[in-house]
Amino acid sequence: EADIYQTPRYLVIGTGKKITLECSQTMGHDKMYWYQQDPGMELHLIHYSYGVNSTEKGDLSSESTVSRIRTEHFPLTLESARPSHTSQYLCASSGGRMQQETQYFGPGTRLLVL
Amino acid sequence: AQSVSQHNHHVILSEAASLELGCNYSYGGTVNLFWYVQYPGQHLQLLLKYFSGDPLVKGIKGFEAEFIKSKFSFNLRKPSVQWSDTAEYFCAVRSYNTDKLIFGTGTRLQVFP
Repeated sequence: EADIYQTPRYLVIGTGKKITLECSQTMGHDKMYWYQQDPGMELHLIHYSYGVNSTEKGDLSSESTVSRIRTEHFPLTLESARPSHTSQYLCASSGGRMQQETQYFGPGTRLLVL
Repeated sequence: AQSVSQHNHHVILSEAASLELGCNYSYGGTVNLFWYVQYPGQHLQLLLKYFSGDPLVKGIKGFEAEFIKSKFSFNLRKPSVQWSDTAEYFCAVRSYNTDKLIFGTGTRLQVFP
C-alpha cells in the first residue's frame, strides 16, 4: 500500500547531539516537504524538494538540512540539537497534475531536546 | 503575504449538533483549498479539497465545504457531528503561482456524547 513513513515517531535527545529524521514514501511522488508544527500553531514549511538532487529552504528559517539522493527518501538532519528545536516535524509528498497536486502527510516525529 | 485565518480555535459540541468551522484566506488570485484533519494520535489526513468547478465540495465522513470567492472563505460543515469527529482541523490554501501550502492555526473540535 502506498504510504509515507517517518522514523522515529518520538525522540528524546540531549543538547549537542546530531540527529537525522527519516522520511520515505512509496507513492511515487517527485515532490517532498518538511514542516515544523508547534502545539496550537500552524504548520510551517522548512524544506522542500522537487526531485532528486533538488532541495530548497521553506518559509520558516531552520538550522536543519535535508538531502534528496533517492526519489523516495528525504531525510532531515540537525547537526547539533538544541532545546529550541523541540517540536513536531511532519514530512509530506505530493503528486498529481500541475495545479491539482495534493499533499499527503506522514505520521510525524515528535522531538524533545533536553 | 498569503495568510489563512481560522477564527474558531476551540469548538465544543454535543453529538448530533451541527458544525461549521470558518476559514478565510488573504490571497486574491486563483487558489486551491484544502481541509485536513488530525485525529488524536494519528497523522494529518486530507478531508476534502477544492480545485475548480462546483464550489460546494463533499469530502469523507459526511463533511462538506463551500468556496465563496467573494468572501475569500472556505468554511467546513457537517450537519450532525459524532464523538469520533473529535480532532484538530486545519484549513490550507495554495495559490496558483506557488506550490506552497499555507496553513491556518487549526481548530480543535471536541464532541461529547
